[in-house]
Amino acid sequence: DAGITQSPRYKITETGRQVTLMCHQTWSHSYMFWYRQDLGHGLRLIYYSAAADITDKGEVPDGYVVSRSKTENFPLTLESATRSQTSVYFCASSEGRAQGDTGELFFGEGSRLTVL
Amino acid sequence: QQQVKQSPQSLIVQKGGIPIINCAYENTAFDYFPWYQQFPGKGPALLIAIRPDVSEKKEGRFTISFNKSAKQFSLHIMDSQPGDSATYFCAASKVGYGGSQGNLIFGKGTKLSVKP
Repeated sequence: DAGITQSPRYKITETGRQVTLMCHQTWSHSYMFWYRQDLGHGLRLIYYSAAADITDKGEVPDGYVVSRSKTENFPLTLESATRSQTSVYFCASSEGRAQGDTGELFFGEGSRLTVL
Repeated sequence: QQQVKQSPQSLIVQKGGIPIINCAYENTAFDYFPWYQQFPGKGPALLIAIRPDVSEKKEGRFTISFNKSAKQFSLHIMDSQPGDSATYFCAASKVGYGGSQGNLIFGKGTKLSVKP
């Protein structure tokens, strides 16, 4: 089915472990994003990508690594998970930023990560 | 300058009431103001959006009011229903801009409960 899918939907890990959250979109959207959602903080941008092999930091990038070797995939890696990274993570995509494009975001259903 | 301030944090209304959610922005370069709706366990989805060339936009029971001079915009839900119970996020960005200003900046969200 067309859309944006995230995996895993739920993950429990321990402090210090490496975790990778996967994101796949079938629309061939140029832009992809990773947000984290925490109570009282809303949606905060971690990293975004304008195209394959082009990534840039968002508001809260520390402790996270991203890559985008293919247009459709945008994995997010926590190299050494900390308790403060317990959160719900959302991947999103949007079309290009040509003149007049509003950049509507299409979100996945989220990955709930718990770091013990 | 990049903040979008949203209030209230939570809101409870009776069925048929008219909840109003307010947002204020600082960056005068922003020219796109969407609202996203998020149901529990789901990702946010675009509800309605406005550009600053109009002061009001209606889609069904949802209305955005925009005050450019005050740098404020609000969401009104007419004849609210229990099915409207969700978290609502306002956001702002600069349309067609490939850099970080083209990324949506989200408010912290308002959890709306509509009682039967």
